[in-house]
Amino acid sequence: IAGITQAPTSQILAAGRRMTLRCTQDMRHNAMYWYRQDLGLGLRLIHYSNTAGTTGKGEVPDGYSVSRANTDDFPLTLASAVPSQTSVYFCASSDFGASEGGYTFGSGTRLTVV
Amino acid sequence: AQSVTQPDIHITVSEGASLELRCNYSYGATPYLFWYVQSPGQGLQLLLKYFSGDTLVQGIKGFEAEFKRSQSSFNLRKPSVHWSDAAEYFCAVASLLNDYKLSFGAGTTVTVRA
Repeated sequence: IAGITQAPTSQILAAGRRMTLRCTQDMRHNAMYWYRQDLGLGLRLIHYSNTAGTTGKGEVPDGYSVSRANTDDFPLTLASAVPSQTSVYFCASSDFGASEGGYTFGSGTRLTVV
Repeated sequence: AQSVTQPDIHITVSEGASLELRCNYSYGATPYLFWYVQSPGQGLQLLLKYFSGDTLVQGIKGFEAEFKRSQSSFNLRKPSVHWSDAAEYFCAVASLLNDYKLSFGAGTTVTVRA
């Protein structure tokens, strides 16, 4: 089934540790996104990539980094986790620009930083 | 600055009654408009989307939304609510001017009482 795979599903992480959230899509979408969801704030864009080899900062990029070495993968790295990064993280992809296909979301990663 | 506003944080409605969720946006170009629903602990499910054409859009689960350019609004409606409609609802907007990055409102939580 075409879609987005996120891993892990959930994680408890000690503050100060490094963590990479994985995101893989099999739809050959050009654009990919990372969002965090927090109560009362909706989903906020962390980083995005319009095409392989390029990335950009979203609304809340501090403390996070991304890479886009190929079309399918878009990992999100927390270099040194802090408790305020406790959140649910969603990866998404889209083919806007090529067609009006909309957006596809992964199932999310629930991250708790203690 | 581009923004999406959902004025109602929480709405309580009786089962069988009608429901309307408000969404206003501020964008400099023709927007692409979306409504998503999220049940507790779950991912995002697309209810409906507007790209162009008829301003009244039909979605899944009996929902519809109307795009009103003059009011910069995209309100979601359902004529008769079921208990299973209790969830959080997000309005989201994208546009070419913003590189098709999807921006979300803060969400509206719907409680359905028997």
